[in-house]
Amino acid sequence: GQQLNQSPQSMFIQEGEDVSMNCTSSSIFNTWLWYKQEPGEGPVLLIALYKAGELTSNGRLTAQFGITRKDSFLNISASIPSDVGIYFCAGPNAGGTSYGKLTFGQGTILTVHP
Amino acid sequence: EPEVTQTPSHQVTQMGQEVILRCVPISNHLYFYWYRQILGQKVEFLVSFYNNEISEKSEIFDDQFSVERPDGSNFTLKIRSTKLEDSAMYFCASSVEPAGAGELFFGEGSRLTVL
Repeated sequence: GQQLNQSPQSMFIQEGEDVSMNCTSSSIFNTWLWYKQEPGEGPVLLIALYKAGELTSNGRLTAQFGITRKDSFLNISASIPSDVGIYFCAGPNAGGTSYGKLTFGQGTILTVHP
Repeated sequence: EPEVTQTPSHQVTQMGQEVILRCVPISNHLYFYWYRQILGQKVEFLVSFYNNEISEKSEIFDDQFSVERPDGSNFTLKIRSTKLEDSAMYFCASSVEPAGAGELFFGEGSRLTVL
């Protein structure tokens, strides 16, 4: 099946630093989604990307849909302690029906030191 | 803000017992899903449900699993005879449009512990 590989697996940064994480796939995705999960909660959608090459921002977050449709990155600028959590990339399986079968990456664990 | 609600938040059960996890999706949503997350691992798709029937299911969703929308508001996941490896966080989600075309809203999850 389709797989998404995220890197890095974890990051330990100081408050105020910028963060960059990415997601790659061996197959094409037509949509890229970035979710954040905080402890004890469900994933929350941060940014959705629907077109190759698209660059979208949501406050301090910026994400891009790679031209090849096989990768995406998420940047967080000027990190703050509440950015702590696990960041997942996800995408609907291509080819078949997309009734909700999202494939998730393994996640990037972000720790922000004040 | 409307949200997906799940009950119970945590259930502990003995191996072999039946478990029902309940979800109330957002009221105007049409697509409903169950995902699970084993501790420390990624979120995995179980099943999607639309128009009162299963649209798609993963290989994890075997004969021990079933879903039901018994009334206009609830969406349930039943595990007939739980196994140790069913221990996980189970997330319900719903959306107005199919995933990939729109946003999936996730509930806070139900933690299942099988002893």
